Amino acid sequence: GENVEQHPSTLSVQEGDSAVIKCTYSDSASNYFPWYKQELGKRPQLIIDIRSNVGEKKDQRIAVTLNKTAKHFSLHITETQPEDSAVYFCAADHSGTYKYIFGTGTRLKVLA
Amino acid sequence: EPEVTQTPSHQVTQMGQEVILRCVPISNHLYFYWYRQILGQKVEFLVSFYNNEISEKSEIFDDQFSVERPDGSNFTLKIRSTKLEDSAMYFCASSGQVSNQPQHFGDGTRLSIL
Repeated sequence: GENVEQHPSTLSVQEGDSAVIKCTYSDSASNYFPWYKQELGKRPQLIIDIRSNVGEKKDQRIAVTLNKTAKHFSLHITETQPEDSAVYFCAADHSGTYKYIFGTGTRLKVLA
Repeated sequence: EPEVTQTPSHQVTQMGQEVILRCVPISNHLYFYWYRQILGQKVEFLVSFYNNEISEKSEIFDDQFSVERPDGSNFTLKIRSTKLEDSAMYFCASSGQVSNQPQHFGDGTRLSIL
C-alpha cells in the first residue's frame, strides 16, 4: 500500500546550524507534499508545501525540495533557533485524493 | 487567522460507551477530515467528507465510526462501542473551496478509554 518514509527519527543541531529532514513516498500519483510542525500537545501546523510541478520552494528560513523521479522530498531549515524544536511530519496526498499519508515524524532539537 | 476548533479537548470514557467528537471547520471550507494520532506515533487518515458524504475512508474507519455534518457549522465523529485501542488524539481538519488545498488542523481531542 501507499507509504511515506521519513528520516531521521530524531535530529539534534546547534542553534544557527541547518537541519535537513528527508522523506520518500511510494505513490507515483502523489502531487502534493505538505510539511507540518507539531509542538508537544498541539495541532500539526502547516509550515510549507510543494506541488509536483515545481522542484523547490522557499519561505524565509524554510525550503522544500522535490525530486519526483526519485520520489524524494526534503525539508531544509537554515539558521535554526530553539523555537524550531518540535516534531516535523512530511505528508503526501494519496493518488491525488484528499487523503494525506504522513511520515513517521522527526523530532528536531535545537540546542542553544 | 481563522482556525478549526474542536471540543472537548479531553474526553474520558468507559470502554463500550459511545463518544461524539465535535469540530467546527473554518467557515468557508468545504472539505472536512478526521485523523487519528496514537501517542508517539504518526498521524493516520480516517475519513474525508465533502458535499455531505464521505469521499474516502481508511481501513481504520470501520462500522464503529461515523461522521455527520448536522448543521451548517459542525462536523462530528461518532465512535460506538469504544475499545481501549481507540485511545488517541483525534484531529479534525478542513480545506478550502476547491480540491487539493492545504488542510488546516484543529487542536485535537484527546480520547482516553478506560
